[in-house]
This record gives sequence, structure tokens and C-alpha cells, in this order.
Amino acid sequence: KQEVTQIPAALSVPEGENLVLNCSFTDSAIYNLQWFRQDPGKGLTSLLLIQSSQREQTSGRLNASLDKSSGRSTLYIAASQPGDSATYLCAVSRGADQAGTALIFGKGTTLSVSS
Amino acid sequence: EAQVTQNPRYLITVTGKKLTVTCSQNMNHEYMSWYRQDPGLGLRQIYYSMNVEVTDKGDVPEGYKVSRKEKRNFPLILESPSPNQTSLYFCASSPRDRTNYGYTFGSGTRLTVV
Repeated sequence: KQEVTQIPAALSVPEGENLVLNCSFTDSAIYNLQWFRQDPGKGLTSLLLIQSSQREQTSGRLNASLDKSSGRSTLYIAASQPGDSATYLCAVSRGADQAGTALIFGKGTTLSVSS
Repeated sequence: EAQVTQNPRYLITVTGKKLTVTCSQNMNHEYMSWYRQDPGLGLRQIYYSMNVEVTDKGDVPEGYKVSRKEKRNFPLILESPSPNQTSLYFCASSPRDRTNYGYTFGSGTRLTVV
């Protein structure tokens, strides 16, 4: 059964720091991995999608990497800002040998950036 | 604008009173899913649909029903809500090509059952 773990659960940094959020998964047979942002009580906003054949994706100050063989992904945030404060969720799609179309989510990393 | 629309955003109801949460997407996506989010448990799939008239159970389907009569709509039905169904619910959709395209989520429905 696929399990997704995110470390750390919470992170507090001063504005301007570069930071890394970690995501690990137990089954490497995935279609893709998606990073989401969730503001308190709000919906999920997709940040980056990494296809199973890709190693990384970049969008602005965000860079996500994927190492399927080791079951790991990292989300790198450059020059953090207070507006980056939110919970970041990592999700993998089910592998080809599993029924369903679900995303399996980690429990998230709650980031707080102070000014 | 491409989006998944859920209604209502907030709902307080009493135990046993049937309710429906609507979900609609305008992207012509084949796949649609419902998730619930609970503190400490994260997001878990309730039901999913691979296309019109094709639905199946997710990880936590007990107490819920769904239907997919049209491609764009995927309502979530609680026939007899109970307090343990108090949660934040999300609808999501994705195209058939899940490898290259990710999921789009709605803004959520916060349900309280008293």
C-alpha cells in the first residue's frame, strides 16, 4: 500500500531564506507527483506536477525534484516570503497496477515565514 | 476560467437529514473524485468516477453515495449524515491522461453535522 510521508511537519523561517520540503513515498510505481499549496480552510492550489519520467520541474521561485528509484521528492523554495506561509502537500498518483484514480497525499508541511 | 466548482462552501445540518454537495467542472475531464480532509488523517478518497455512469469506491466510502449522469457533474450524497462525517470535502477532476496532467481541486465544502 502506497504511503506518503512529509518531513518536517512544520517549519518556521525568517523571510529571505531558501528552504527545502521533503516528501517520500513507498511504492515507486507512480504516474506522477504533484505538489499543492493549501491556505488555512481553503482549497488546494496545484504548484508543480512532475511526470514519472521527469527529474524536476520549475515555476518561478519553486523547484521540485523527483527521484523515483529512492521514492523521494523535494520542493525547493527560493528567497521565501511571508506570502509563502501555507501548508504544502505532496501527492502521488496510484501506480499502474492499482485500481482507481486516486492521489495519495502526505499530511503536509506547514510553513511559516516571518517578516 | 477552467475550474471545479463546489456548492455549498459551508453547510451545517442535523443528523439524519439527507444532503447533497454538488461538484461541476468545465474542463471536459473524464476523471472526478471526492476527498475528505480531517486533522491528523490528511486527505482521503471517498469515491471516484472514471467516466459517465462509471463510479467506484475509494478508501472511505461508508455513508456516502455518488452519481455520474453527466460528464461535468459529480454530486456527493449523504443519505443520513452523522457527526463523524463532519469534515472538509474536496472535489477534484483530471483528464484521462493522468501521467501528463494533474488534478484540479475545488475550493472545498466545510460540512458540520450536529
